[in-house]
Amino acid sequence: GENVEQHPSTLSVQEGDSAVIKCTYSDSASNYFPWYKQELGKRPQLIIDIRSNVGEKKDQRIAVTLNKTAKHFSLHITETQPEDSAVYFCAATYSGGGADGLTFGKGTHLIIQP
Amino acid sequence: EAGVTQFPSHSVIEKGQTVTLRCDPISGHDNLYWYRRVMGKEIKFLLHFVKESKQDESGMPNNRFLAERTGGTYSTLKVQPAELEDSGVYFCASSRQLNTGELFFGEGSRLTVL
Repeated sequence: GENVEQHPSTLSVQEGDSAVIKCTYSDSASNYFPWYKQELGKRPQLIIDIRSNVGEKKDQRIAVTLNKTAKHFSLHITETQPEDSAVYFCAATYSGGGADGLTFGKGTHLIIQP
Repeated sequence: EAGVTQFPSHSVIEKGQTVTLRCDPISGHDNLYWYRRVMGKEIKFLLHFVKESKQDESGMPNNRFLAERTGGTYSTLKVQPAELEDSGVYFCASSRQLNTGELFFGEGSRLTVL
């Protein structure tokens, strides 16, 4: 089955700086890679996703890059703000098969220092 | 549109007791998933319903866990008898389409087994 590793487990950055969270996956068949943000006590929410047919996707201050050969993908947040503080989860799955359950990383606690 | 709702939000039970968690997915979402996050670890897939059928239950830890989705609407996850290691947050998520796109998560049911 799929195995997703996520690093770092905790990341502290100064407000305004950039943050990068990295994930690797093991199953070369995986083709869908979403990122979820979970604020304290709230539900995980999708913030951005990428499919294996593209290498990069951007949405305002958030971008995700995918390297299929190396089987890793990363989340980039620029100009970080206090409201970016949360736990971020990466995930991977093969979308198109019968089993559609996401495999999540362990999460990264992002702390934005004022 | 109402989101995914879960009940109870928090349950504290003694080892050996039974607990039933309920999830109401977004109306019209045929796909319903259960996930669990044990403290400090990744969100792990438990099982996936398509309507009332179990599409994939490969993540269910053992036969103390029973999930149902009679009628293809809401779902229940019963733990009987509960053990200490069952403590964690149980998330339900739903999606409209099988092979694409966003999972909508509930806020989770926190289970504490004493």
